[in-house]
Amino acid sequence: GIQVEQSPPDLILQEGANSTLRCNFSDSVNNLQWFHQNPWGQLINLFYIPSGTKQNGRLSATTVATERYSLLYISSSQTTDSGVYFCAASSGAGSYQLTFGKGTKLSVIP
Amino acid sequence: DTAVSQTPKYLVTQMGNDKSIKCEQNLGHDTMYWYKQDSKKFLKIMFSYNNKELIINETVPNRFSPKSPDKAHLNLHINSLELGDSAVYFCASSHAGAGNTIYFGEGSWLTVV
Repeated sequence: GIQVEQSPPDLILQEGANSTLRCNFSDSVNNLQWFHQNPWGQLINLFYIPSGTKQNGRLSATTVATERYSLLYISSSQTTDSGVYFCAASSGAGSYQLTFGKGTKLSVIP
Repeated sequence: DTAVSQTPKYLVTQMGNDKSIKCEQNLGHDTMYWYKQDSKKFLKIMFSYNNKELIINETVPNRFSPKSPDKAHLNLHINSLELGDSAVYFCASSHAGAGNTIYFGEGSWLTVV
């Protein structure tokens, strides 16, 4: 099955700083999603982005499908951005299931 | 209204007991899933149902049995609970087919003592 790797595993930011989270995947994808798991454990959809670029407020994401990676940009980070960011992907016959990366744990400090 | 809802949110139970977690979605989706998140935060799919039929059954002990009475519900029953079953169980749903956003419930925290 598809392999999904995320980097960095941990990230500490000062409030107001910008950051880039990376997701590499091993196969062509028909689904790629970014999630934020907040400190209360909720998994919140950020982007559905198997290709191209999307923006939502301070967050944006870009997936370069031909090079098998996706990037999540967080600008002007806030303490409420803290949590774990997951990239998840599916490909081909496994289109009914998402394979998750191990996540990037982000801590934004005041 | 919560799109994907699970009950109970928290469950503490003794080893050997049988327990169920219920999941309902009101998004009109025809595919539902159970994912397990372990203590290291790793998320892995357990089961997937499409139109009440099982389409994915990953390597999960037979003690775990999903049941889908209709397209909007997917329950998870666990027999003879073991300490290693302690985890967060997430229900999710989507439209069928590739390239559809998957929406997750808020999770059910299971602790086996």
